[in-house]
Amino acid sequence: DTGVSQDPRHKITKRGQNVTFRCDPISEHNRLYWYRQTLGQGPEFLTYFQNEAQLEKSRLLSDRFSAERPKGSFSTLEIQRTEQGDSAMYLCASSPGTFGQYFGPGTRLTVT
Amino acid sequence: AQTVTQSQPEMSVQEAETVTLSCTYDTSESDYYLFWYKQPPSRQMILVIRQEAYKQQNATENRFSVNFQKAAKSFSLKISDSQLGDAAMYFCASSYSGAGSYQLTFGKGTKLSVIP
Repeated sequence: DTGVSQDPRHKITKRGQNVTFRCDPISEHNRLYWYRQTLGQGPEFLTYFQNEAQLEKSRLLSDRFSAERPKGSFSTLEIQRTEQGDSAMYLCASSPGTFGQYFGPGTRLTVT
Repeated sequence: AQTVTQSQPEMSVQEAETVTLSCTYDTSESDYYLFWYKQPPSRQMILVIRQEAYKQQNATENRFSVNFQKAAKSFSLKISDSQLGDAAMYFCASSYSGAGSYQLTFGKGTKLSVIP
């Protein structure tokens, strides 16, 4: 299967801990996106990479959040000093251009 | 900024029947794209159908078709011959070039149940 993959699928952490999620996009896609989805809501945009450059960040992405995409391949999303409000599904998507994004299965984060 | 509104939190349809899910959007952009995504329970988001705003012809993908009314800013999804596997959350989304990201703006979704 050459779709978007995400790891881990589930993460339970205690408040105040740091967590890191990984996304592997479809190999030929140069665009990569992170979204956050809370229960009963549609996904909300967090950040966007074109190749290795992080070109756009949402105001939802507080200083505790950081994302990287070294060498324009996989991407990581790190949350420092997690809070209960960070509990959500974190979705990664990739795209070859402007016309549609392909999503991974997501990482479900629970902060206790 | 773009907004997407789905006014039907839940819908149901009998198997083999047709159902239409509603979506309205608001944008000041002239170049934008519209999408319907399907999210089955505990499974990943799947792109169902997409429409370029400059195209007048409505998009179709097998049993899925859209009714794109640009002036009314309406983008409804019609599912024909509904199947049990169509049961899912359906999200309407839009994107535009903006800063170049083509980030998606989603509605809150419509939960579709299919009755055998």
